[in-house]
Amino acid sequence: ETGVTQTPRHLVMGMTNKKSLKCEQHLGHNAMYWYKQSAKKPLELMFVYNFKEQTENNSVPSRFSPECPNSSHLFLHLHTLQPEDSALYLCASSPPGGNEQYFGPGTRLTVT
Amino acid sequence: AQSVAQPEDQVNVAEGNPLTVKCTYSVSGNPYLFWYVQYPNRGLQFLLKYITGDNLVKGSYGFEAEFNKSQTSFHLKKPSALVSDSALYFCAVRDIKAAGNKLTFGGGTRVLVKP
Repeated sequence: ETGVTQTPRHLVMGMTNKKSLKCEQHLGHNAMYWYKQSAKKPLELMFVYNFKEQTENNSVPSRFSPECPNSSHLFLHLHTLQPEDSALYLCASSPPGGNEQYFGPGTRLTVT
Repeated sequence: AQSVAQPEDQVNVAEGNPLTVKCTYSVSGNPYLFWYVQYPNRGLQFLLKYITGDNLVKGSYGFEAEFNKSQTSFHLKKPSALVSDSALYFCAVRDIKAAGNKLTFGGGTRVLVKP
């Protein structure tokens, strides 16, 4: 275990639903990340937060809305998703001045 | 811009034989390089990193990687593979000149170790 937790581990939602993914770390890390992992595609960075401030948005559609209320928690709010958004969503964190990222187990999202 | 290439989608090796997973990178400055492993239904686990110093880096589970600046490569190696090493392996790079701590990942190489 890396110390980064994600809930739920599995989520099935319809295209009209609204749901949220949660990521939590109590490692003292100041940076948190959302990645999307689809089959047969490279890992895609979605958002980066440093000290609760969003520092990167990789042209992610507005149906994905991140929230970082503090350095330990990161959310990804989902609404009106498309079937092609089905993927494994991974959260990661990294320490101040650190280089490697520590990943959570991911949320397997299926959009029906 | 920074990029990573993992030229092999899959590597098959017999248990006990040496394992090599290839990675090449491109950065405008000097690189920070990483290897991660992903087991089924799990997140990525950090294996090792090269920041500076000795070109041969040792990591978890008996893995090592060699930084080769002239060939812009960072191949992952293990002298004797185990069946339990079967997993998806990702190489990643960060340009030390780039602001922030954004990593760019390769497409991944699936390793299958046969008994």
